[in-house]
Amino acid sequence: NAGVTQTPKFQVLKTGQSMTLQCAQDMNHNSMYWYRQDPGMGLRLIYYSASEGTTDKGEVPNGYNVSRLNKREFSLRLESAAPSQTSVYFCASRVRETLATGELFFGEGSRLTVL
Amino acid sequence: RKEVEQDPGPFNVPEGATVAFNCTYSNSASQSFFWYRQDCRKEPKLLMSVYSSGNEDGRFTAQLNRASQYISLLIRDSKLSDSATYLCVAAGGGGSYIPTFGRGTSLIVHP
Repeated sequence: NAGVTQTPKFQVLKTGQSMTLQCAQDMNHNSMYWYRQDPGMGLRLIYYSASEGTTDKGEVPNGYNVSRLNKREFSLRLESAAPSQTSVYFCASRVRETLATGELFFGEGSRLTVL
Repeated sequence: RKEVEQDPGPFNVPEGATVAFNCTYSNSASQSFFWYRQDCRKEPKLLMSVYSSGNEDGRFTAQLNRASQYISLLIRDSKLSDSATYLCVAAGGGGSYIPTFGRGTSLIVHP
């Protein structure tokens, strides 16, 4: 009964280091999303993947790259981490029966600190 | 200006009170609307979808006014366990499905 699994849950990086956040869902969902959440800013979309093989930029894509490895997995990469990327990152997935099918299922979040 | 706007609160209410949250969205092409609940340091979880005809789930009532681009959530008989942040979401429209979240409204229910 895993749902959406994110790893790691916590990470501390130094400025300039790179890392990849992993996300996997076992619900056979088509669409996957990466959000970041900062105090007072709510959730902001970084990248999304409407289906396997496609990815698109969201509201705040700069400094990030993504890979939709297969239907289950959607990873987020920080190539050169900056303190402004200190945040809580949430991965989410959604079944895509119609354009209006809604509910997002979230992972537990990955808390990233960049020093 | 954010596409989905909410009063951040906090709303501080006694147990048993009725509290209403409001939300406006700017993308008139949005097709789907939701309220999510987020507990401290946890992931958001769907509270309820919002339909044009209005919908109710126990103590929770959601309303949508497309003409005014306005969404509301009413919580009756507040419980201590209702303390959380409530996130308004608008999605769809324009050929893609991008759920856009408001900043959230914080609710504190006290004894």
